[in-house]
Amino acid sequence: DAGITQSPRHKVTETGTPVTLRCHQTENHRYMYWYRQDPGHGLRLIHYSYGVKDTDKGEVSDGYSVSRSKTEDFLLTLESATSSQTSVYFCAIRQGTNTGELFFGEGSRLTVL
Amino acid sequence: KNEVEQSPQNLTAQEGEFITINCSYSVGISALHWLQQHPGGGIVSLFMLSSGKKKHGRLIATINIQEKHSSLHITASHPRDSAVYICAVTSYNTDKLIFGTGTRLQVFP
Repeated sequence: DAGITQSPRHKVTETGTPVTLRCHQTENHRYMYWYRQDPGHGLRLIHYSYGVKDTDKGEVSDGYSVSRSKTEDFLLTLESATSSQTSVYFCAIRQGTNTGELFFGEGSRLTVL
Repeated sequence: KNEVEQSPQNLTAQEGEFITINCSYSVGISALHWLQQHPGGGIVSLFMLSSGKKKHGRLIATINIQEKHSSLHITASHPRDSAVYICAVTSYNTDKLIFGTGTRLQVFP
C-alpha cells in the first residue's frame, strides 16, 4: 500500500459544471497518472505527471486539465463536464524509477447528467 | 493496432484448471505489469517484470523481451481468481503506462 487516496469516491453533477478529482499520496513518489475506465475500452490515460509542475497529456486528454503543485497531490479538473465524461476515474502512482511497482487508488465514479 | 494486445479477451474455466493469459506489445519497454481487478473493485498489482519469471503462490508470470511477449499463469484455479487481468507496459521512451484491454476470467466450481 503506497498511501494513495482519491476524492471524492462518488460524484453526480450536471452538464456544464466544473469538477475536480483529487489524488493524494503519502510516499512522495514521482510518477502519478490519471486514467478513465469505460466498458469496452479498458484503462485509458488522461494525463500523467513526472514531478511537481511537470505534466503531459495522454490519449484522451481533451476536456481535462491537471495540476501538480505539490508532490503528494495530483488534481484532475473537468472545466465543463459533459455526459461523455461519465466514467470511473483511477489514479495510479509508480514507485521510484521506470521499473517501479504500480499502486492504484480505489477509483472515483463520476456521473454527469 | 493497439500497442498492447491481450488474449483471450474472455476465459472460462473449471476449478482446478491451469490457466494462461497472454500479452504481446509492440513498443520498447522498461517494465511490464500484470494487474487484477475484481468486479466492482479496485486494481491491484500482481507482478512487475523486466526480465525472466516471477512466482507468487499459484501465480506465475514470465516475459520474453526479444519476442515482446508475456504470459500470466494460474495453477489450480479457484473461483476467487475470477477477475479481469490487465497487462500494462511502461514505455521506455515516454514513461507512459500503456494498458491492454484486459482478460475477463471466470472460474466455476
